[in-house]
Amino acid sequence: DVKVTQSSRYLVKRTGEKVFLECVQDMDHENMFWYRQDPGLGLRLIYFSYDVKMKEKGDIPEGYSVSREKKERFSLILESASTNQTSMYLCASSLWASGRVKDGELFFGEGSRLTVL
Amino acid sequence: GENVEQHPSTLSVQEGDSAVIKCTYSDSASNYFPWYKQELGKRPQLIIDIRSNVGEKKDQRIAVTLNKTAKHFSLHITETQPEDSAVYFCAASKGDDKIIFGKGTRLHILP
Repeated sequence: DVKVTQSSRYLVKRTGEKVFLECVQDMDHENMFWYRQDPGLGLRLIYFSYDVKMKEKGDIPEGYSVSREKKERFSLILESASTNQTSMYLCASSLWASGRVKDGELFFGEGSRLTVL
Repeated sequence: GENVEQHPSTLSVQEGDSAVIKCTYSDSASNYFPWYKQELGKRPQLIIDIRSNVGEKKDQRIAVTLNKTAKHFSLHITETQPEDSAVYFCAASKGDDKIIFGKGTRLHILP
């Protein structure tokens, strides 16, 4: 079974703090993703990475950055947390499909619920 | 970029009846359409997917249909059961590794 582990289930931070959300997958997947989930807004893509040290912006990258130094680990960084970043953050990974079709099943972590006061 | 619209946002059906959730997408280059189910307090999990070279796919009580011309796809759940209560997300991808989700449908199965 694929296992995607997010380091913290619940975090409470103060406005202006730097926040690190860590995600580790154990199935040697090439692709990793960070989504945020808000009621009524679904799952919105923040950043994704298809290889070590590679990153691509998703739909809502503002206020976030990412780091992928090792294949199994993908970190989401909030340089200066703000109250509008209070949300559930979901990490996911997927296998690089063969050929030109690069899509594949997303395996999600349990989520990290961040509250910014 | 791709935009996925999903309707309805909430759906209540009697146990044993069928449920249908509909999605539209904007990018005609999209070629992969997965559906994810998220039970309360749990992570989303893939339940069925369809690629653009087929029009319909079925797996026991769930089926997905795709109309490429109209750019819409639908999830059909027959003989609904209490364990079908969850939030369902449709998504679309055009093979560049970005999977874009709809806003979700909360399905309630009424006893």
